[in-house]
This record gives sequence, structure tokens and C-alpha cells, in this order.
Amino acid sequence: KAGVTQTPRYLIKTRGQQVTLSCSPISGHRSVSWYQQTPGQGLQFLFEYFSETQRNKGNFPGRFSGRQFSNSRSEMNVSTLELGDSALYLCASSPPGQGAFSNEKLFFGSGTQLSVL
Amino acid sequence: GQNIDQPTEMTATEGAIVQINCTYQTSGFNGLFWYQQHAGEAPTFLSYNVLDGLEEKGRFSSFLSRSKGYSYLLLKELQMKDSASYLCAVIDSNYQLIWGAGTKLIIKP
Repeated sequence: KAGVTQTPRYLIKTRGQQVTLSCSPISGHRSVSWYQQTPGQGLQFLFEYFSETQRNKGNFPGRFSGRQFSNSRSEMNVSTLELGDSALYLCASSPPGQGAFSNEKLFFGSGTQLSVL
Repeated sequence: GQNIDQPTEMTATEGAIVQINCTYQTSGFNGLFWYQQHAGEAPTFLSYNVLDGLEEKGRFSSFLSRSKGYSYLLLKELQMKDSASYLCAVIDSNYQLIWGAGTKLIIKP
């Protein structure tokens, strides 16, 4: 079974630009959540999608948005990039059950390393 | 606020035992996870605790004390491949996952 796939693996952008990251969950997984990871900080929760609906949202500005398609693939968009947006963006999927925040373990992708210059 | 504390970095010797601590202050508690993350790779699930006590899984064990807001991950018979970051995460009362910053474990021969 293929794991969670994130593309692209690396991305370099300049301030003010926008970026779209993609995540394909494990087949059969309907919940997809996104995290931002920076050195010295814990994973910061961005949002979670389930069956094309945003079910949970973290404390990030409106520049961060996402969506999920009918095949469970998800995209995350960041507009008007700032230097502080440089981070590893991780996507995780979880199997059918009570959702990403129960005792269902998360399956992570390898992430997209975003550098904003 | 919600807070999860882990040591930033630990060093241990191959073949030895190491205990990585995690203390948490969250609004409610619905479980605690430990994940392993090798540099440049995806975090992978290690353990889940929701009741007090020790859960053993091969060379790795995880302990939870809900009254103390405390957990530890115990790694035995350390191998070089155990060099990684270990992430502690707590599910709060809103079923949000709160993550610690992770503990970087360095194994020396």
C-alpha cells in the first residue's frame, strides 16, 4: 500500500508570492490534516479535512487555506508569503474511524520543505 | 495556555537504555502519542497511551501518569538507527493534537 505522498518535496519562493502544496493520502483514508514544523517548535496544526469538509482549524491567519477533493487528495495554499512561513509542511492521513484526533494514529508524508526568500 | 515540555536533546550510547520524558499541561486529556522522526523523513507512530501505566512494545516502552501530567518513552538496547527526534503529542478536550517540540536523540558508538 502506497504511503502518504506530498509534492513537491522542496520549494523556494519569494515574499509576496503564493504557493500550493499537494497531499495524496493512503488509499481508503478520508481524513487529511496539515501541520507546520519549524526547528525548535512542535508541529503546529493548520487544519483537518474529512470528506471534502474542513472539520478542524488551527490558529493560523487566513492566508493559509486548504481544500479536499472527492478522491481525498488535499491541497494547501499559502498566499502573500512571508519569511516566517519558511518551514516543513507535513500532511497526515488517518484510517476510517473516529477521526484524526481520536486514538487513530496518523500516517505522515515526508513533507514539503518551503523556503521563502 | 497549553504546553508540552520535552528535553531538546539527549545523548546515549549504543546498547544502553534511555528515557525521554514528556510533561504536559493541556485543557483536558484524551490520550498521548509518541512518534519517531528521522531527519528529513516523515514522523512514524510509536505508541499511544490513554490509561495510566506502562505499555511495552519490543525495545520501546511508553509510560503514562495522568495525575502527574507525565509520560516517558523508554528505549532499550539502543541501536545507531534509533538516532532520531522523538515527538510527544497530547489529545486535548477538543480532540486537538498538541505537540511537543521533540527530543533529538543522538546515539554514540
